[in-house]
Amino acid sequence: QLQLQESGPGQVKPSETLSLTCTVSGDSISRSAYYWGWIRQPPGKGLEWIGSSSYSGSTYYNPSLKGRVTISVDTSQSQFSLNLTSVTAADTAVYYCARFKRFFNWFDPWGQGTLVTVSS
Amino acid sequence: QSALTQPPSASGSPGQSVTISCTGTSSDVGGYKYVSWYQQHPGKAPKFIIYEVTKRPSGVPDRFSGSKSGNTASLTVSGLQAEDEADYYCSSYAGSNNVVFGGGTKLTVL
Repeated sequence: QLQLQESGPGQVKPSETLSLTCTVSGDSISRSAYYWGWIRQPPGKGLEWIGSSSYSGSTYYNPSLKGRVTISVDTSQSQFSLNLTSVTAADTAVYYCARFKRFFNWFDPWGQGTLVTVSS
Repeated sequence: QSALTQPPSASGSPGQSVTISCTGTSSDVGGYKYVSWYQQHPGKAPKFIIYEVTKRPSGVPDRFSGSKSGNTASLTVSGLQAEDEADYYCSSYAGSNNVVFGGGTKLTVL
């Protein structure tokens, strides 16, 4: 059974870089049929797609975050990562990682999510 | 790209049916058959319940159904049960490898 688990700091200072890792277990991260994605949810608000990456490094990002976001995959560790630069309070959110079926546009399963607060 | 439009709230009594709409444009919902829906209980991660507008993943009750007309997709929950009380989000492929979500609808079972 495929499982995903986010990890990383729960607090980041303004203007710094938010870095999170998602560890995949129960199946190979290198399946070509799937991508790996990040989605966030500010407190009390809706979901926002951040971006997705194939295991080989093909990446797609939300245009509203382009220039600040990088997603990378480490197949040897069965992990994929999110880096978001120059964060502000508006980036405070629960960050989820999920397996993504590209073209068909669905995310499943999801990690449990991790809250990242941007504050000095 | 703008978020898809969902009503903030919906409600129904146990046993009734309720429909939640998800309105986009011809560049997302109206242009593709790749609309998915997610159920989210408080404090939990979203759960995948509908894909490709009408299809249900394995294990999702057939009380959940999806449809689409023009630029609006809909999720219908039939035979409402207490455990259906949750937030529901739609998502659509938006072209050029982009994904867009709706703002979410809080479903209350009266």
